[in-house]
Amino acid sequence: SAVISQKPSRDICQRGTSLTIQCQVDSQVTMMFWYRQQPGQSLTLIATANQGSEATYESGFVIDKFPISRPNLTFSTLTVSNMSPEDSSIYLCSVEGGTGVHQETQYFGPGTRLLVL
Amino acid sequence: GIQVEQSPPDLILQEGANSTLRCNFSDSVNNLQWFHQNPWGQLINLFYIPSGTKQNGRLSATTVATERYSLLYISSSQTTDSGVYFCAASYSGAGSYQLTFGKGTKLSVIP
Repeated sequence: SAVISQKPSRDICQRGTSLTIQCQVDSQVTMMFWYRQQPGQSLTLIATANQGSEATYESGFVIDKFPISRPNLTFSTLTVSNMSPEDSSIYLCSVEGGTGVHQETQYFGPGTRLLVL
Repeated sequence: GIQVEQSPPDLILQEGANSTLRCNFSDSVNNLQWFHQNPWGQLINLFYIPSGTKQNGRLSATTVATERYSLLYISSSQTTDSGVYFCAASYSGAGSYQLTFGKGTKLSVIP
């Protein structure tokens, strides 16, 4: 399994500002994923981040609003730009980190709880 | 894309009771996973189970891929089992590994 840390764990931000969330993994992984979980809802994939290439965004999410960096195989950042109260969510980083035939097993970081006022 | 539906949406159990959570998916999958999100928000991977049956302690899961459903069994439930259980699925035929999550089953185990 993979051990994932995220910073910050929580933050309260003013509308119009931006927040960068960091995700660190204890081993090298090819694919990293960023999810959003709005209050009381399920998880929605924002984008997939591969090292050395542009992130792939899901429908409804754009790079200008959620720029992603993936400088190496153990680290990624997600920025939430020009925030509004609708961006208040938990943001989760995940990786595929299974061994052997179960390489698709996904592991999640502890999440970043964001409240936008 | 794949649709994932979970039932029931909410479940209240007395400690020690057994339960079955269901996950239906709309299309062929070769990746199906069950997760538990504890009350503090941490998501824990319970099973990677695209087909067949697995057991881990008091938990077990069965996926019948041909009939497009998966079941998660919790036996002798404990208060620490409380939280939300998510099923997630994908088909990675074209190298796409993005999981689609169901809406979850919120489980409350009362003493």
